[in-house]
Amino acid sequence: GAGVSQSPSNKVTEKGKDVELRCDPISGHTALYWYRQSLGQGLEFLIYFQGNSAPDKSGLPSDRFSAERTGGSVSTLTIQRTQQEDSAVYLCASSSTRGTSGIYEQYFGPGTRLTVT
Amino acid sequence: RKEVEQDPGPFNVPEGATVAFNCTYSNSASQSFFWYRQDCRKEPKLLMSVYSSGNEDGRFTAQLNRASQYISLLIRDSKLSDSATYLCVLGGRGSTLGRLYFGRGTQLTVWP
Repeated sequence: GAGVSQSPSNKVTEKGKDVELRCDPISGHTALYWYRQSLGQGLEFLIYFQGNSAPDKSGLPSDRFSAERTGGSVSTLTIQRTQQEDSAVYLCASSSTRGTSGIYEQYFGPGTRLTVT
Repeated sequence: RKEVEQDPGPFNVPEGATVAFNCTYSNSASQSFFWYRQDCRKEPKLLMSVYSSGNEDGRFTAQLNRASQYISLLIRDSKLSDSATYLCVLGGRGSTLGRLYFGRGTQLTVWP
């Protein structure tokens, strides 16, 4: 079946502009996650949605970052007044819980490569 | 201290070799563990979950040692296509249940 999809695949923006990144999770997955990966760095958690609510948004680096999810499906990550340090690959993942074990196997989309000039 | 620590490598091995990676984790309450692989400029892909009893999937064997808080991945009969970065990953617990904690990855190159 279809995997996680993200758009755009690449985004170049000028410093100070706002950007919106989109994620379509795997159909039926209730949980959705955003991470980012800067050049040469590990993956950094940003926010997690269960349905439309975000139990954990502690990874958002500043109040310029926000995310929402509607209809328990599509999510958008918005970065306002972009800065050069926001340049990274933004990855979305989705999962469903497996039984009572609570093991969340997360499946990633191809990412959006954001470059702030 | 980082949640997950891995030897970044690189590991350079010939085809057919057996190679092992370890990683250590700091949160003794962690309950879920995974290995992902990431090819250059691609997204991480789930390789296998790691269960308490250890598990095997073809040429890949994962082990969990809770007492010492480390996880291992063994690759037998290495193939050229195994060249990638291998990420050791922990699932959160309690208030951080939804998140994954990623190691920085171990780079593997398999040469002909």
